[in-house]
Amino acid sequence: AQSVAQPEDQVNVAEGNPLTVKCTYSVSGNPYLFWYVQYPNRGLQFLLKYITGDNLVKGSYGFEAEFNKSQTSFHLKKPSALVSDSALYFCAVRAANFGNEKLTFGTGTRLTIIP
Amino acid sequence: EADIYQTPRYLVIGTGKKITLECSQTMGHDKMYWYQQDPGMELHLIHYSYGVNSTEKGDLSSESTVSRIRTEHFPLTLESARPSHTSQYLCASSEYWDRGGNTEAFFGQGTRLTVV
Repeated sequence: AQSVAQPEDQVNVAEGNPLTVKCTYSVSGNPYLFWYVQYPNRGLQFLLKYITGDNLVKGSYGFEAEFNKSQTSFHLKKPSALVSDSALYFCAVRAANFGNEKLTFGTGTRLTIIP
Repeated sequence: EADIYQTPRYLVIGTGKKITLECSQTMGHDKMYWYQQDPGMELHLIHYSYGVNSTEKGDLSSESTVSRIRTEHFPLTLESARPSHTSQYLCASSEYWDRGGNTEAFFGQGTRLTVV
């Protein structure tokens, strides 16, 4: 069975500082990895994905994430946090093989940027 | 504009009522999903579909049912609503990876259901 772990329920970062939101995964075979953001009373918005190729992927709003196969991690990063980055962040995984269509999410990390 | 729509956004309903949550997408995606989101934020997959006439149960057991008669439409029905069904319900869709489409799922805005 595939799974995602987001070890931190809450992350607080001062505005202007770098931020990291952690994610580790477990899946059979190669993974497709995703980050989503959710603002209050809204659906999930896609931020970025890793499918293949370069381990560092860049996404929307200045976010990036680094795929580390040996550590089975896909941490979300941003060099300089903005107050508007405060939201709920979800990491997700699915196996990169046809026939497995299930997308599994982590439990979410609430990111708060302190002015 | 291609998108995914959920209606209603908010619903307050009495115990025992039958309800249907609507989800429609205009992207031509084959795969569609329903997720239930706890107040504490965790997402649970309750139903998914590979295409027309295909429906599967997800990881979390749910008393709801779904149907997929048309590609663009994936409604969720509760025959008899109970307070334990109070939650946010998120619908999503995605393309098959081998058709060269994007692999990420696109989400609707959600329906917040309250059963009193």
